[in-house]
Amino acid sequence: NAGVTQTPKFQVLKTGQSMTLQCAQDMNHNSMYWYRQDPGMGLRLIYYSASEGTTDKGEVPNGYNVSRLNKREFSLRLESAAPSQTSVYFCASSRGGLETQYFGPGTRLLVL
Amino acid sequence: DQQVKQNSPSLSVQEGRISILNCDYTNSMFDYFLWYKKYPAEGPTFLISISSIKDKNEDGRFTVFLNKSAKHLSLHIVPSQPGDSAVYFCAASRSGSARQLTFGSGTQLTVLP
Repeated sequence: NAGVTQTPKFQVLKTGQSMTLQCAQDMNHNSMYWYRQDPGMGLRLIYYSASEGTTDKGEVPNGYNVSRLNKREFSLRLESAAPSQTSVYFCASSRGGLETQYFGPGTRLLVL
Repeated sequence: DQQVKQNSPSLSVQEGRISILNCDYTNSMFDYFLWYKKYPAEGPTFLISISSIKDKNEDGRFTVFLNKSAKHLSLHIVPSQPGDSAVYFCAASRSGSARQLTFGSGTQLTVLP
């Protein structure tokens, strides 16, 4: 039982390049989330998907797009990467409501 | 404007003593609070939570206290162990779809042997 998995673990991009961060969960959870964590700050919600087929903006959605491909997978896309998007990205999932959110190990992204 | 604040970036405690981590919030609509623990190069893991209808919740060595009038919560770890050394994040959410979490900036706890 892998829980929440994220790929890649680490990526270096040049300004203007695009990439997709992948996230998958095997817990049959309804809700999935993408956060970013910057030094000295807590995790900030980028986008979330309350259930399969729905997505909504979080606190810091600008520069990102998401796709809830199916119940298991939730991807985050950077269309034109900027240095301000250098961060650690965490995906999480939960059954929904008050249920606990379970986090993946993170993707470290460096944009030069 | 930070809605959830952890004003102590770091805390050092001797093994066996009590660790007290503090968290303040400004949004009175928050009704559910959580603590997560994070080790380096790993994702946060859930530790303990409390609903706004309670003022205390206990789970083994971990107790969370909520003071709604002061908009303050604290996490007590007794006794502290070296394996508790990690970054602790306070998080809050309010009623609504998907329960978005708002996180504090974290406190690095170091338990000295």
